[in-house]
Amino acid sequence: DTAVSQTPKYLVTQMGNDKSIKCEQNLGHDTMYWYKQDSKKFLKIMFSYNNKELIINETVPNRFSPKSPDKAHLNLHINSLELGDSAVYFCASSHSGTSGNIQYFGAGTRLSVL
Amino acid sequence: GDSVTQMEGPVTLSEEAFLTINCTYTATGYPSLFWYVQYPGEGLQLLLKATKADDKGSNKGFEATYRKETTSFHLEKGSVQVSDSAVYFCALGPRGGATNKLIFGTGTLLAVQP
Repeated sequence: DTAVSQTPKYLVTQMGNDKSIKCEQNLGHDTMYWYKQDSKKFLKIMFSYNNKELIINETVPNRFSPKSPDKAHLNLHINSLELGDSAVYFCASSHSGTSGNIQYFGAGTRLSVL
Repeated sequence: GDSVTQMEGPVTLSEEAFLTINCTYTATGYPSLFWYVQYPGEGLQLLLKATKADDKGSNKGFEATYRKETTSFHLEKGSVQVSDSAVYFCALGPRGGATNKLIFGTGTLLAVQP
């Protein structure tokens, strides 16, 4: 069983559209994250939820809205997509309070905005 | 704020060569340190970690030692294989707690030639 799974793996869409990416983890973790990886492989955190509560919200446009219906799921909805949103988006999860804070990553969603 | 600096790639080596990828950090407090690896088309996987000064993390022949005096966590491997070709990320994070934000370096691409 895949520990952290994201769907879809690839997403190609037009500018101005609205799209969602879903993430699920079956590790029993209480914290989930969204990261954005740009074309130069630079990885930056966007959001983090702990027990369904938003705890990290980096400087991300309001067009990005995360939603956590329960501890095992964290979805990312993007409104009015722009060319600059093209990137690979990674979901991750971890168990809070654990020494070393290991995060487990999904395989990524490659978003291409045309 | 906290930050991680990695040597720029790409690093190109022949099989069985010795590998060093430098990583230095700036942080308040006593962070945990990590090396993650990203194989082509995949998400990040934890390679090794260290949670306190002088700890040595090791896995799959890779090693890194947490050096507080030099604020470094250099990755080494004595004999690389073609299968080690990937992007390597150094990261720092809190030792625990709900605010589990990882800060990544820019990543170093390693290409191992037969």
